[in-house]
Amino acid sequence: ETGVTQSPTHLIKTRGQQVTLRCSSQSGHNTVSWYQQALGQGPQFIFQYYREEENGRGNFPPRFSGLQFPNYSSELNVNALELDDSALYLCASSPGQEDEKLFFGSGTQLSVL
Amino acid sequence: SQQGEEDPQALSIQEGENATMNCSYKTSINNLQWYRQNSGRGLVHLILIRSNEREKHSGRLRVTLDTSKKSSSLLITASRAADTASYFCATEDSNYQLIWGAGTKLIIKP
Repeated sequence: ETGVTQSPTHLIKTRGQQVTLRCSSQSGHNTVSWYQQALGQGPQFIFQYYREEENGRGNFPPRFSGLQFPNYSSELNVNALELDDSALYLCASSPGQEDEKLFFGSGTQLSVL
Repeated sequence: SQQGEEDPQALSIQEGENATMNCSYKTSINNLQWYRQNSGRGLVHLILIRSNEREKHSGRLRVTLDTSKKSSSLLITASRAADTASYFCATEDSNYQLIWGAGTKLIIKP
């Protein structure tokens, strides 16, 4: 148990819809990162938030957006869903933006039909 | 894009044997980390080795790093059924972002 919780665990959407995924960081962690993991692949970095500001972004289009709240919980929003967005979405928190070790949640499995 | 490449993609061994997985990467790194993932769920941090270190141990795990060859290996000694999982290496670049490989799927046969 890492103390990082994600909701929901599973989600089914149709192409074109919008989705919001949620993450509660481990207590005391002010940095959260989001990853997309396709079946059989390693995680792909989406973005990172530190103290409510985005401070790093991977190669994902603007329809992937996020928020970090004052309590350091976070949301990942994806607009105009595409079939290729079907994946496991992982949230990870760390004590600080330069802390190397990440603590992962169990993920949200998103299926886009 | 993925920087790390794990080798082999899949490994099946008998319980009690040692398992060795390799990771290669392309650019300079601050550190390299190994994570484990059970059944496509969350990843668990195993061990971190910094760019100025060559070897590190943690319990039954031994990690080596060769920065001249841009490669690392993870050795699990005396494997157990519970070690069955996918293992990923992740390299931290100069922007403190982790770049991941595609993983090695390890199966321990009883």
